[in-house]
Amino acid sequence: LAKTTQPISMDSYEGQEVNITCSHNNIATNDYITWYQQFPSQGPRFIIQGYKTKVTNEVASLFIPADRKSSTLSLPRVSLSDTAVYYCLVGVFSGNTGKLIFGQGTTLQVKP
Amino acid sequence: ETGVTQTPRHLVMGMTNKKSLKCEQHLGHNAMYWYKQSAKKPLELMFVYSLEERVENNSVPSRFSPECPNSSHLFLHLHTLQPEDSALYLCASSQGAGEGFRSGELFFGEGSRLTVL
Repeated sequence: LAKTTQPISMDSYEGQEVNITCSHNNIATNDYITWYQQFPSQGPRFIIQGYKTKVTNEVASLFIPADRKSSTLSLPRVSLSDTAVYYCLVGVFSGNTGKLIFGQGTTLQVKP
Repeated sequence: ETGVTQTPRHLVMGMTNKKSLKCEQHLGHNAMYWYKQSAKKPLELMFVYSLEERVENNSVPSRFSPECPNSSHLFLHLHTLQPEDSALYLCASSQGAGEGFRSGELFFGEGSRLTVL
């Protein structure tokens, strides 16, 4: 299973763009890269997923270089409510299940 | 509301008690998971069920006993727990990587906060 490495914590201010980078040097050919967000005392929530290049949805963008050994989650114009832990996961489903391993995550603190 | 409901939200039990955590998913998924999240530690995968069959047991002590009677329900039976088992227990479900579904998307419940005295 591919191991992921992220910064433990990051600080930002409201209105700024935040970029969180995740390293996954031993990512496998079939692995997808998925990011989750978790608020205190809640379960993680899916944010975005990608395989290569760039993916954008209504809440974030995900940048994946050609070698796929890292990925960057970009949150545009963060607000206080974006304060949470962000997890980068690498893995793939086999059939209908996935052995998805969560790392330490990045605690993002957004300040006014 | 994620479509995955866990009960109870909070549970306090003694080391000699027997209790159960319940998870129900209303999403029509066919795979369910138990994760454990201790304070300041990453989520730990405990069990994975696919079509009511256990496909993963991540070296979990036998004092934790899962049960999946059907694809919508998942239980975690607890007995003779230790104080270090106090944690947030999260249930998740998934549909898998078939046509039209993303690979690796889990839908989590709110969790059951367990305290073992």
